[in-house]
Amino acid sequence: DGGITQSPKYLFRKEGQNVTLSCEQNLNHDAMYWYRQDPGQGLRLIYYSQIVNDFQKGDIAEGYSVSREKKESFPLTVTSAQKNPTAFYLCASSPKDRGYSREGREQYFGPGTRLTVT
Amino acid sequence: AQSVTQLDSQVPVFEEAPVELRCNYSSSVSVYLFWYVQYPNQGLQLLLKYLSGSTLVESINGFEAEFNKSQTSFHLRKPSVHISDTAEYFCAVSLSIMGRRALTFGSGTRLQVQP
Repeated sequence: DGGITQSPKYLFRKEGQNVTLSCEQNLNHDAMYWYRQDPGQGLRLIYYSQIVNDFQKGDIAEGYSVSREKKESFPLTVTSAQKNPTAFYLCASSPKDRGYSREGREQYFGPGTRLTVT
Repeated sequence: AQSVTQLDSQVPVFEEAPVELRCNYSSSVSVYLFWYVQYPNQGLQLLLKYLSGSTLVESINGFEAEFNKSQTSFHLRKPSVHISDTAEYFCAVSLSIMGRRALTFGSGTRLQVQP
């Protein structure tokens, strides 16, 4: 089955520790995204990558880092610099955006990782 | 800048009643519009999308949404809801700016279907 996997589903960390969230996709999608979800605020974009070895900051990148060494994988590290890291984190992917068609307009989401930092 | 407004944070409704979840967007260029559904502690699933063509789009489970360009709206409707429709629904807009394509989401509407 093709899809996006995120692990673990629940993650607990002490304040001051870095933590890495995993995201893997076997959909052969070029673009991958990380969103953060907080109650009543919808989803906010943290980082995105349109191609291997390249990524850009989203709207709330401070305190986060990413890498894109393989097409299938886009791990997110929540660093100790992130002031309020407790949240639900969602990874998504989409096909390459081809200007002559409408591929790449929609995104496919993983099941999410709920991170709690105490 | 684009933004998405979902006016209702919660919508309680009785089973088999009709429902409308409202979504308005602001954008000066053509947009692509989506509705996603999220069940508790799960990721988002695409419910339906408007890319072009007919302004009325339908999902396989009875939901429909109509793109209204003059009112910049993309409201989601269902004529008769089921208990299983209880979930959070997100409206989203997609467009490409300076080579970046990402979705901008509304804040979500929690649909609570009561027996």
